Amino acid sequence: DAKTTQPPSMDCAEGRAANLPCNHSTISGNEYVYWYRQIHSQGPQYIIHGLKNNETNEMASLIITEDRKSSTLILPHATLRDTAVYYCIVRVASPGANNLFFGTGTRLTVIP
Amino acid sequence: GAGVSQTPSNKVTEKGKYVELRCDPISGHTALYWYRQSLGQGPEFLIYFQGTGAADDSGLPNDRFFAVRPEGSVSTLKIQRTERGDSAVYLCASSQGMTSSEQYFGPGTRLTVT
Repeated sequence: DAKTTQPPSMDCAEGRAANLPCNHSTISGNEYVYWYRQIHSQGPQYIIHGLKNNETNEMASLIITEDRKSSTLILPHATLRDTAVYYCIVRVASPGANNLFFGTGTRLTVIP
Repeated sequence: GAGVSQTPSNKVTEKGKYVELRCDPISGHTALYWYRQSLGQGPEFLIYFQGTGAADDSGLPNDRFFAVRPEGSVSTLKIQRTERGDSAVYLCASSQGMTSSEQYFGPGTRLTVT
């Protein structure tokens, strides 16, 4: 699985959009971009994933650049409950390649 | 419905002792994963089950670690002759199948080896 690079920490004002970047310059054509987050003392929680098209669900939007070498997770209206460590993971979606390789992620702090 | 549950939530043991950590996956989920998370780090893969069999155990650090899932549901992670370096949060996750996009994580078991 390709390696990802994320900033170690970010702050965001409550109510504003939080934009979390991720670089994955060695991504392969059959690798998806996944985002998980981990709130303090809890297990990781799936947020969203995509291959090359932008994706949106009730939690967030995922913007993937045309060359797929980077992506941005957008939380449109951050709340205090969004304070967590966010992990960007690149993963092949095929049998036998199912474990997730977490890095150290980005610690997002939402400020009142 | 019920999520992934793990017991105990906390376990303190002495160096050299044997411990068992239990994971109850979401009902119907055929895939089950164990991860270990040290302080300040992201979770690190240990082993993955598809049904009753271990499909990938490449993340187990050494032969003191072993995991079973005899009936394809509940799984037990077993650690023999515990060492202080085994102290970590042990996370379990399950998913619906081999290529399911989403893994559902339990709250973890915090293991402390004194």
